[in-house]
Amino acid sequence: EPEVTQTPSHQVTQMGQEVILRCVPISNHLYFYWYRQILGQKVEFLVSFYNNEISEKSEIFDDQFSVERPDGSNFTLKIRSTKLEDSAMYFCASSEVSGGTLVRETQYFGPGTRLLVL
Amino acid sequence: RKEVEQDPGPFNVPEGATVAFNCTYSNSASQSFFWYRQDCRKEPKLLMSVYSSGNEDGRFTAQLNRASQYISLLIRDSKLSDSATYLCAVNIGTPLVFGKGTRLSVIA
Repeated sequence: EPEVTQTPSHQVTQMGQEVILRCVPISNHLYFYWYRQILGQKVEFLVSFYNNEISEKSEIFDDQFSVERPDGSNFTLKIRSTKLEDSAMYFCASSEVSGGTLVRETQYFGPGTRLLVL
Repeated sequence: RKEVEQDPGPFNVPEGATVAFNCTYSNSASQSFFWYRQDCRKEPKLLMSVYSSGNEDGRFTAQLNRASQYISLLIRDSKLSDSATYLCAVNIGTPLVFGKGTRLSVIA
């Protein structure tokens, strides 16, 4: 069964450093998403991406964040200058479409990257 | 008012029990509804999409009540392996809005 993959599984970084989190969405999916989950809190939406551009973003997704699809398979989240409060689990997700039938808009999540900022 | 609310639990139930969770949502424009299961420090995994007419998948039954703006999940004949956090998710446009989850512990 196709699945979303993410690398690395864990990342430890110093405050102020740049990190890039990588994701390979499911191959026939057109919509890609990043979510984060701070320990003990709920899963929060960061950004959605379609047709090589951001389609929606939350208040969390400020100028320190950027996303890119550098090639036909990878989807990346960059945090330019990490802060302590960026420590969280970052999940990538993908879906066939946005809207339409429930089956096709269902979002499937990758295993996550645990980011720890020291 | 929080967008998606769930009772955090924990619900501690014996094996074989039936347990039900509710989730309320505040935005009446919500379009799609899902239940995800999340094990400790793992990703949310889709358990069920929730159809307007309600749907069943084995021991799991999901219901949607648009008038009262809540969805429910019923688990029959609980197994030890059902122990997890159950996340309600509501799709308002593109992003999923999650509840904080309800923790279930099934005890032998």
